[in-house]
Amino acid sequence: KAGVTQTPRYLIKTRGQQVTLSCSPISGHRSVSWYQQTPGQGLQFLFEYFSETQRNKGNFPGRFSGRQFSNSRSEMNVSTLELGDSALYLCASSLEPAGAGELFFGEGSRLTVL
Amino acid sequence: GQNIDQPTEMTATEGAIVQINCTYQTSGFNGLFWYQQHAGEAPTFLSYNVLDGLEEKGRFSSFLSRSKGYSYLLLKELQMKDSASYLCAVRDLLTGGGNKLTFGTGTQLKVEL
Repeated sequence: KAGVTQTPRYLIKTRGQQVTLSCSPISGHRSVSWYQQTPGQGLQFLFEYFSETQRNKGNFPGRFSGRQFSNSRSEMNVSTLELGDSALYLCASSLEPAGAGELFFGEGSRLTVL
Repeated sequence: GQNIDQPTEMTATEGAIVQINCTYQTSGFNGLFWYQQHAGEAPTFLSYNVLDGLEEKGRFSSFLSRSKGYSYLLLKELQMKDSASYLCAVRDLLTGGGNKLTFGTGTQLKVEL
């Protein structure tokens, strides 16, 4: 059973550009969440999608957006990149939101903004 | 809001037992999770507690006291491969619930010979 797949794994952008990151959840999982991980702040919640609907949103500016497709794949977009957006972006999937079910994390997309 | 505290670093000896503490403040507590993350890898699930008490899973155990806002992860018979960051995370129904978890900054555990 394939795990959570994130693409691209590494990317370098410059300030002002925009970026789109992709996440394919484990087959059968319908809930997809996104987290930003930085050395100083740890993991911070970005958003959660279930059945193509955003269920939860973290405290990030509107430059951060996401969506989920009918096949449960998800994308997140960051526009007008800033240096502080450099981070590891992790996607996690689960069968359903909440409950005792574990979140399965992908290996992340490491974004560097120059 | 939520506040999650855990020690930044810990060092222990191979074969020993180590306890990693986590304290939290939340209004609508609905579960506490422990994850393990090796450097450069994805976090992996270790345990989930929603009721008070101890959950044991092999060499790893996790304890929760909701009244004290306190949890610990106990690792027995430490192995070198246990060197990793251990992340405590809380779900709060009042701030969204679901898979919106608030994570601590992690405890970096180093296991030495």
